[in-house]
Amino acid sequence: EAGVAQSPRYKIIEKRQSVAFWCNPISGHATLYWYQQILGQGPKLLIQFQNNGVVDDSQLPKDRFSAERLKGVDSTLKIQPAKLEDSAVYLCASSPGTGSFEQYFGPGTRLTVT
Amino acid sequence: AQSVSQHNHHVILSEAASLELGCNYSYGGTVNLFWYVQYPGQHLQLLLKYFSGDPLVKGIKGFEAEFIKSKFSFNLRKPSVQWSDTAEYFCAVVDAGNNRKLIWGLGTSLAVNP
Repeated sequence: EAGVAQSPRYKIIEKRQSVAFWCNPISGHATLYWYQQILGQGPKLLIQFQNNGVVDDSQLPKDRFSAERLKGVDSTLKIQPAKLEDSAVYLCASSPGTGSFEQYFGPGTRLTVT
Repeated sequence: AQSVSQHNHHVILSEAASLELGCNYSYGGTVNLFWYVQYPGQHLQLLLKYFSGDPLVKGIKGFEAEFIKSKFSFNLRKPSVQWSDTAEYFCAVVDAGNNRKLIWGLGTSLAVNP
């Protein structure tokens, strides 16, 4: 089965610019997650979707970050405007969502804000 | 709040040495436990998982972990490491009562010298 797809793989922007990341989960997976992973740390959950509804966005900096999952499949994560401290790898993961807690991860997008 | 503690942040071993990475969690209820691995330049992959049943679980590449409920521990072991095991290892726990949120440890960086 195809894995979780993410694009772009790398992005370099200047502070105050905007950026968007795209994620395509494994087909049929109801739950989609966006994580931020700063070098040397574990992933930090930003937002969790169940189908196209938000389940948890308690750690999403809503003044600059936004995410949507239209039609319950693909998802985009946007940062506007970016700050230097947003430099990190942004991971997308998906899980079947019913009885299985295992998450499958995409390759991530490495964002550098200069 | 649920938390996960990984005791070793950096481990350096020689090939053929035995490995044990500690992981403790704080939640006292039903837990689902995972070890994920991130090889250099690659995405997070599931190494092994515990949901129920035999507390000694075997994963890929010769890894195993033992769930000890009384100690709130889920330590990862491998009897003989290889250079290719050089990676970042993350322990994670699903908080079944909190939207199945995955709680992550900070990770352990393992370097295996040939």
